[in-house]
Amino acid sequence: AQSVTQPDIHITVSEGASLELRCNYSYGATPYLFWYVQSPGQGLQLLLKYFSGDTLVQGIKGFEAEFKRSQSSFNLRKPSVHWSDAAEYFCAVVGAAGNKLTFGGGTRVLVKP
Amino acid sequence: EPEVTQTPSHQVTQMGQEVILRCVPISNHLYFYWYRQILGQKVEFLVSFYNNEISEKSEIFDDQFSVERPDGSNFTLKIRSTKLEDSAMYFCASRRGLGYNEQFFGPGTRLTVL
Repeated sequence: AQSVTQPDIHITVSEGASLELRCNYSYGATPYLFWYVQSPGQGLQLLLKYFSGDTLVQGIKGFEAEFKRSQSSFNLRKPSVHWSDAAEYFCAVVGAAGNKLTFGGGTRVLVKP
Repeated sequence: EPEVTQTPSHQVTQMGQEVILRCVPISNHLYFYWYRQILGQKVEFLVSFYNNEISEKSEIFDDQFSVERPDGSNFTLKIRSTKLEDSAMYFCASRRGLGYNEQFFGPGTRLTVL
């Protein structure tokens, strides 16, 4: 069965500093990986996705993520965070059949001025 | 840009009552999903629906839950007799079809069971 682990429940970062959110997945074959962001009281917005090809993927809002098969990881990064990046971030995986998404527990990001 | 819509945005109900949550998926999409997120917890898969039948469901999706696509545009989730623990945000999602793995999410319906 597929699973996703986000080891960090909370991260606090200063505005302008870099951010890295960790994601580890478990899946028997090539996974399709996603990062979603959820602002307070809002729905889920897709930041970026990895299906195949270049292991460094670019997303919206200046985010990028790197797929590392050897580490079963798909970490999300942003070089310089803005106050508006304060939100909860979810990593998710779906199998080749493209059916259900399995989400990690989420990482809540707080941005200090 | 086409998007998934959900109504209502917030539903308050009494325990034991039936609720129907409504979703309008993106019009040319073929696969439909319901997920839920209990406050402070992760997003959990409930059910997937394709070709007018359930293709997969989780252990959460018991006999109290049902889904339906009553016409060409709506996709509904019914909870027959709500429990306190059904209080959650319910998200609808849709996917275009085979070869397309991205699911597009609606804004959610917050269900509060009193």
